[in-house]
Parts: sequence; C-alpha cells; structure tokens
Amino acid sequence: AQKITQTQPGMFVQEKEAVTLDCTYDTSDQSYGLFWYKQPSSGEMIFLIYQGSYDEQNATEGRYSLNFQKARKSANLVISASQLGDSAMYFCAMRELMIKAAGNKLTFGGGTRVLVKP
Amino acid sequence: SQTIHQWPATLVQPVGSPLSLECTVEGTSNPNLYWYRQAAGRGLQLLFYSVGIGQISSEVPQNLSASRPQDRQFILSSKKLLLSDSGFYLCAWELGGGYTDTQYFGPGTRLTVL
Repeated sequence: AQKITQTQPGMFVQEKEAVTLDCTYDTSDQSYGLFWYKQPSSGEMIFLIYQGSYDEQNATEGRYSLNFQKARKSANLVISASQLGDSAMYFCAMRELMIKAAGNKLTFGGGTRVLVKP
Repeated sequence: SQTIHQWPATLVQPVGSPLSLECTVEGTSNPNLYWYRQAAGRGLQLLFYSVGIGQISSEVPQNLSASRPQDRQFILSSKKLLLSDSGFYLCAWELGGGYTDTQYFGPGTRLTVL
C-alpha cells in the first residue's frame, strides 16, 4: 500500500497567486513527521517545511505553510504569492517512529510539478 | 554550517563497468548518511543508510553496495553496472535519526548507463 500519495502530477499557477499541493499519508503510528521538499531542475532536494504528528498548530516557514488535518491524514502544502522561482517538483515525505535502532526511513510521494506562469 | 558534497555531478558509464560515487559531509560529526535513487519523473527510493563507520543497512537487494570508511564519507559502488542502474543518486545526512529530524540532501549525481 502506498504510504504517501500526491494526486496532482502537475499544476499551473499564476505568478503572485497561492497554490495548494495535496498530500495524503497512511500510517498506523501515532508518532510521525511530515516533510515537504522542493526539487528544482538542478536536481537538489531542498527542505521546505516540517510538521510533527503531535504539533497542534500548522507549520509555517515564510511563504510556505502546511495545512495539517490529522484525522483525514492529509498534509497539504500551501505556497503563497507564487514566484517564478517556485517552478519545481514538490515532494511530500513521511518518517515514522521506528523500533529499529539503526536509521529511520523517509518515505516519499511521487511528487507534483508546479509551473508558475508570469 | 553543514554542507554536503557529491561527485561526480554527472557520469556516463557502459554496461558492465564499475561504479564509485562519493558523498562527504562537512561541519558536523557522527551524522546518519543515506543513499537514495530517483528514476526519471519519480520519487526517491532509499538504497542504503549508515549510522556509523562501517555500519551499512541495505533497503533494496541489488548489484549496488555502500561503504562508510570515515565518519563523514559515504560511498556507493557497483562491480558491474546494469542499464537499470541509470538514475539520479542523492546522498543525504541528518543528526539524530528520529521521526522529527530532517534529512538534508546533496546536489546529486546523474548516472547514465549505456
């Protein structure tokens, strides 16, 4: 079963407008973390924002905010005031609490490509 | 501040040739290190991770191997490359390894096997 689902393969957004990228996840753990990464055409994965399963408030980082709905198991990324430089792939990822002592896996969704139009 | 380097940036290799990709981290000690592979237009697949020198865990059985000869050095190798090994290889580091800890990625190596 897929643990992280991003249903939007691609989106267009007008410059200066806001865009919401969907992410749903599946876990039976109570303790987990949700991450969003940006991957521009250069390929580097850039960390954007984090939300913990016990965090009661939605995370915000500058123009990025995370709409966390725990009961629905969704963690949507909102980018406000889109800029041309926001054009990239965006990946949602999850880390679960692992019992194993060694390492902790980050599971990625398939990504959403965002193109910002001037 | 911490930085992570990968080299080479791009690589074109024939089928059956060996492979060595290197990842080094600066500005931190005792990080957890990860190798991921990304096929074109897809998400990331975890290949190996390491919590210390000489400690390697494999997530996917294949013809690739990893080694960690030094605290901040992580190497991905193969004795004989397959066409299916083509992809974008990303190294990542973190401190802690808990579910609240963030992984930070290097610039990646784009490998094409012909």
